[in-house]
Amino acid sequence: DGGITQSPKYLFRKEGQNVTLSCEQNLNHDAMYWYRQDPGQGLRLIYYSQIVNDFQKGDIAEGYSVSREKKESFPLTVTSAQKNPTAFYLCASSIFSSGKLTDTQYFGPGTRLTVL
Amino acid sequence: KQEVTQIPAALSVPEGENLVLNCSFTDSAIYNLQWFRQDPGKGLTSLLLIQSSQREQTSGRLNASLDKSSGRSTLYIAASQPGDSATYLCAGDSNDYKLSFGAGTTVTVRA
Repeated sequence: DGGITQSPKYLFRKEGQNVTLSCEQNLNHDAMYWYRQDPGQGLRLIYYSQIVNDFQKGDIAEGYSVSREKKESFPLTVTSAQKNPTAFYLCASSIFSSGKLTDTQYFGPGTRLTVL
Repeated sequence: KQEVTQIPAALSVPEGENLVLNCSFTDSAIYNLQWFRQDPGKGLTSLLLIQSSQREQTSGRLNASLDKSSGRSTLYIAASQPGDSATYLCAGDSNDYKLSFGAGTTVTVRA
C-alpha cells in the first residue's frame, strides 16, 4: 500500500529542545517537501529536496534543518532556534519531471507539534 | 512570488446545493493550479490539477476552471453532500516552480 507516513502524530517539546519529525514515502518519488500550517494561513514551505543528498531552503527555513540520505526519507529537525514552533507540520512528495516541482503533490497525515 | 487568495474563508450550504469556491492568484505566468481537500487534523488530498495550457479539469462531481488572464480559478462541486464538508485549498506555482497556497475555504454542507 503506497503512501507517505509521518510520525509521531502528536509531539510535545519543551523550551530549548530539538525535536525530529519523521517522513517516509514508498511512492518512489524524487522530490520531498516540508510545510508548516498555522490556523487561518496557507501552507508555507520550509525545505524541499529534489534528489538524494541535496535540499534547498523554502520560505521559512530559519530554525529548521533537514537531511536526505535516502530517497524514501526526509526528516525535519525543529531546533531551539525556532522561536514559535507550535504548528501542524506536513510532509509531501512528488515526481520531479523536467525540472518542475509542481507536479501533483501527495501529502502525509501531518504531525502536530506543541511547545510546552 | 505567487500570492494566492481564497474568499470567503468559510461557507455553509444546504445539502444538494451546488458549491462554487473561488481562488485568485497574482502571477498570470502560472504553470499549474491545484485544488486540495483537507479534513480536520489531516493531511491534504489532491483533487484536481490544471496545467497552464488547460482551461478546466473534471473529476466526477468536481470541475475546476482556470482563467490566467483574470488570475482566477473556480472549483465547482455539483449537488453537495454532507461528506463534502472540509477545507478546500488551492495552490499555484511561482516563477521558481514552488507551490504557493491559499488559506483555504472551509465548507459545511448541512443535511
